[in-house]
Amino acid sequence: DAGVIQSPRHEVTEMGQEVTLRCKPISGHNSLFWYRQTMMRGLELLIYFNNNVPIDDSGMPEDRFSAKMPNASFSTLKIQPSEPRDSAVYFCASSLNGGANEQFFGPGTRLTVL
Amino acid sequence: DQQVKQNSPSLSVQEGRISILNCDYTNSMFDYFLWYKKYPAEGPTFLISISSIKDKNEDGRFTVFLNKSAKHLSLHIVPSQPGDSAVYFCALTDSWGKLQFGAGTQVVVTP
Repeated sequence: DAGVIQSPRHEVTEMGQEVTLRCKPISGHNSLFWYRQTMMRGLELLIYFNNNVPIDDSGMPEDRFSAKMPNASFSTLKIQPSEPRDSAVYFCASSLNGGANEQFFGPGTRLTVL
Repeated sequence: DQQVKQNSPSLSVQEGRISILNCDYTNSMFDYFLWYKKYPAEGPTFLISISSIKDKNEDGRFTVFLNKSAKHLSLHIVPSQPGDSAVYFCALTDSWGKLQFGAGTQVVVTP
């Protein structure tokens, strides 16, 4: 199994640009999570999908952030417009039936907004 | 408001000795407790977990202890090995499955 796949691994962009992060969960997993890791706030959950439906998006920082899961094998996290304070490592994770079960994390996307 | 606290940002331990990592929480609604391990440039990987109805779970060199009255969780690694050098996160979840992570403890195992 290839595990959770994230792309790109690194992204450098300028303030105001749109950024799209991509995630392919493990085949058969029906729960998908987007996390952000920063020095100040640590690892924080942004949004959680179950069976492609957003269940909890209370962690999404503001309207500039949006996430979609059009099918069971693909999800995107979009930031528009991006700001320097969005610089962080963004992780995608998947699991079978919810967050209490083992979540498998992707390698992360390191985003730098100049 | 930080509901999950790992008060030790780092821990240095000699190879072969025991590593003890601690985690405190404030919300009694948490009912499932997990430890994740993270190497640089990789995502966290699941290590061990315990449900709120237990007070101990053991898996090889790793043992997790839960003290619900004290709202305290700990991870024991014995014996510690150089490959255990990593950042360890405790993570707690309620019945909805929303994980909350601690800030992490950097463990360095020295020869």
